[in-house]
Amino acid sequence: EAQVTQNPRYLITVTGKKLTVTCSQNMNHEYMSWYRQDPGLGLRQIYYSMNVEVTDKGDVPEGYKVSRKEKRNFPLILESPSPNQTSLYFCASSLQENSPLHFGNGTRLTVT
Amino acid sequence: QKEVEQDPGPLSVPEGAIVSLNCTYSNSAFQYFMWYRQYSRKGPELLMYTYSSGNKEDGRFTAQVDKSSKYISLFIRDSQPSDSATYLCAMSAPGDKIIFGKGTRLHILP
Repeated sequence: EAQVTQNPRYLITVTGKKLTVTCSQNMNHEYMSWYRQDPGLGLRQIYYSMNVEVTDKGDVPEGYKVSRKEKRNFPLILESPSPNQTSLYFCASSLQENSPLHFGNGTRLTVT
Repeated sequence: QKEVEQDPGPLSVPEGAIVSLNCTYSNSAFQYFMWYRQYSRKGPELLMYTYSSGNKEDGRFTAQVDKSSKYISLFIRDSQPSDSATYLCAMSAPGDKIIFGKGTRLHILP
């Protein structure tokens, strides 16, 4: 089954404790992206990747890092999480940048 | 002016009614138009995808694009309680990233 898999689904952590949210897709998509979704603000793009070893900032990249060492994986790294990063995070992939996106089921992160 | 405007709702309609969801946009370069449906605790899933102007129908769903008015619509016929979800419009210009509306919460009342 074609899918985007994120882990974990739920995560509670404390300020400053580094964490990684994993994302994997099995559709051989070139484009991958991370979004955060907050009430009243909608989906905001954090980082995206056009292909392996090619990543770029989205609209809200501060406090986040990504890597794209393999085509299928696109982890999101929070080196020093802060409470304002409490949010619902989605990974998505597509054939190319403006092709329809396939989303994972989200990771709900709480930073205390 | 925001690039994509979408009424957040909530919109409550009785089962069986026709639902109309809408978005307006400001960028005349947008050529690709999408509607996503998002159930609670799930990721958005693609519902409809259209290129340029015109209508597209898929079962009970019809997507309509009016580029002259910079206005897109999603119609749901014979609405069901299972249609209760948040609907996000999205659009993009060639070679550019997808821009999302903030979503409209829809409740279908049994």
